[in-house]
Amino acid sequence: EAQVTQNPRYLITVTGKKLTVTCSQNMNHEYMSWYRQDPGLGLRQIYYSMNVEVTDKGDVPEGYKVSRKEKRNFPLILESPSPNQTSLYFCASSATVGRGGEDTQYFGPGTRLTVL
Amino acid sequence: AQTVTQSQPEMSVQEAETVTLSCTYDTSENNYYLFWYKQPPSRQMILVIRQEAYKQQNATENRFSVNFQKAAKSFSLKISDSQLGDTAMYFCAFATDSWGKLQFGAGTQVVVTP
Repeated sequence: EAQVTQNPRYLITVTGKKLTVTCSQNMNHEYMSWYRQDPGLGLRQIYYSMNVEVTDKGDVPEGYKVSRKEKRNFPLILESPSPNQTSLYFCASSATVGRGGEDTQYFGPGTRLTVL
Repeated sequence: AQTVTQSQPEMSVQEAETVTLSCTYDTSENNYYLFWYKQPPSRQMILVIRQEAYKQQNATENRFSVNFQKAAKSFSLKISDSQLGDTAMYFCAFATDSWGKLQFGAGTQVVVTP
């Protein structure tokens, strides 16, 4: 089954304690992305990756890191989490890179993060 | 920069009735893609419908249809014959490439009542 998986689904942590949210897709997709969802703001892109070893900032990258060492994985790293990073996080992937592509983005199930 | 505006925070509709959600966007691009995503209580993001800006014909998917007005930069979603399972948050989204970054609106909570 084609899917994007995220782990953990729920996480409660404390300020300053480093954490990683994993994202994995089994569709051999080139493009992967992280979003955060906050009430009244919709989803906002944090980082994206167009292929292995190619990553770039989205709209709200402060306080986050990513890496893309393998095509299927795109972990989100919070080196020193703060309460304002309490949010719902989504990983997404899609196959096509390049103008003219008409592909659907697949979303993971979401990770609910609470930073105390 | 592109912006997406959903002006209706919440809408209520009775089963079997029709509800229309509004979405406006701002862009200087001529070619782009517009989407409606549904987020039920499970929080999963589900693509409902997609519209390519270069296509004049409005997209339709079963009970879901859009009214795309390019000159007005408007992209409304009509849900016909509403069902209880349609209760969800609905997000309008914009992208310059169908596979790339999505710019989301704030969302509209739809509640379908018996």
